[in-house]
Amino acid sequence: TQLLEQSPQFLSIQEGENLTVYCNSSSVFSSLQWYRQEPGEGPVLLVTVVTGGEVKKLKRLTFQFGDARKDSSLHITAAQPGDTGLYLCAGGSGTYKYIFGTGTRLKVLA
Amino acid sequence: SAVISQKPSRDICQRGTSLTIQCQVDSQVTMMFWYRQQPGQSLTLIATANQGSEATYESGFVIDKFPISRPNLTFSTLTVSNMSPEDSSIYLCSVGGTGPYGYTFGSGTRLTVV
Repeated sequence: TQLLEQSPQFLSIQEGENLTVYCNSSSVFSSLQWYRQEPGEGPVLLVTVVTGGEVKKLKRLTFQFGDARKDSSLHITAAQPGDTGLYLCAGGSGTYKYIFGTGTRLKVLA
Repeated sequence: SAVISQKPSRDICQRGTSLTIQCQVDSQVTMMFWYRQQPGQSLTLIATANQGSEATYESGFVIDKFPISRPNLTFSTLTVSNMSPEDSSIYLCSVGGTGPYGYTFGSGTRLTVV
């Protein structure tokens, strides 16, 4: 069974701090997605990475796919209260079905 | 990307009853997915709903407990049957997956069983 473990599980930081969220698996994925979910809403896609070693930037967010395509990281620079939410990674293996990670709940305090 | 309307947004139900959740998409899609998100946890796929055929259920989920209808390419329902407090969760429908927009989700149904 494919599993995606995220760490940390919870993170509470002050506005302006940097943070990194990790998504790890023993399985190889053909692509990996990152989502953010706010209370009362469904998850919203942030990025998809498909190539080992790939780095993508979305404003203050930097996403990296591991060289072996088994892990990924999300780095947020100068976090803002608007970054608060549940961050989920999701791994795909070439089918329509993605496995969602265990989730990281981020709270950014003003 | 598609826009999904899901309802109800929340409900409080008595144990032993059933609740049907509706999901309407603004475009035709081949597959629709139903997820469960238990409090503070990640998403677990319940089933995949294809138009014109029976839904495909994931391990641990059965049709008698979670019957699904898919009458056309823009609509699906999920029923949570004979509810118990353990069914208290957020239920989400979604479409997409592998395309550039990833999955698009409805806003979810927060179900509380008392």
